[in-house]
Amino acid sequence: QQQVKQSPQSLIVQKGGIPIINCAYENTAFDYFPWYQQFPGKGPALLIAIRPDVSEKKEGRFTISFNKSAKQFSLHIMDSQPGDSATYFCAASRGGTYKYIFGTGTRLKVLA
Amino acid sequence: DAGVIQSPRHEVTEMGQEVTLRCKPISGHNSLFWYRQTMMRGLELLIYFNNNVPIDDSGMPEDRFSAKMPNASFSTLKIQPSEPRDSAVYFCASSLGVKGFFGPGTRLTVL
Repeated sequence: QQQVKQSPQSLIVQKGGIPIINCAYENTAFDYFPWYQQFPGKGPALLIAIRPDVSEKKEGRFTISFNKSAKQFSLHIMDSQPGDSATYFCAASRGGTYKYIFGTGTRLKVLA
Repeated sequence: DAGVIQSPRHEVTEMGQEVTLRCKPISGHNSLFWYRQTMMRGLELLIYFNNNVPIDDSGMPEDRFSAKMPNASFSTLKIQPSEPRDSAVYFCASSLGVKGFFGPGTRLTVL
């Protein structure tokens, strides 16, 4: 029940495409859902996050869609660029604890 | 702000040796986390401190691992004795509220 399941494991898109990464959770006590971006040799960096009281959040080219009833959320990258090539992790945390449970990661490659 | 600072960035040691990883969180942050990243297990939370007090160490794999946070600006993760299966990248993260900020990590190789 503590798991966050992430798919796909890897993804290749052409420049300008819209990669979509999906995550699902079981624990309904989770109330904060961030996405992290990690480049090789670097630590994960917070990209965007959402709380379950909204269904969508946009920040620049990055959008999170959230489906509370299905316990699923996804990351969309609009007009993807080669510089977006990285590993993306979804995560979930329970109110007040700030402990993240991470998904297994999606390695994204955007072709020029 | 310099962000979360970790040292060393790389550590190579032999099985049985003691290893100490260090972390300086972002000033003003009151929560500190140690994570371990491997290809097989992904990002695993080892231990979580709040206001310098260990809150949850359920992720610490075994007694060979210990972590301390003697003050708000410093934490250590110690492995004694180290084993080859401890080889991983160890990240420290800090937060004030829900947004966690990760350090660059320490790549540990145990031969």
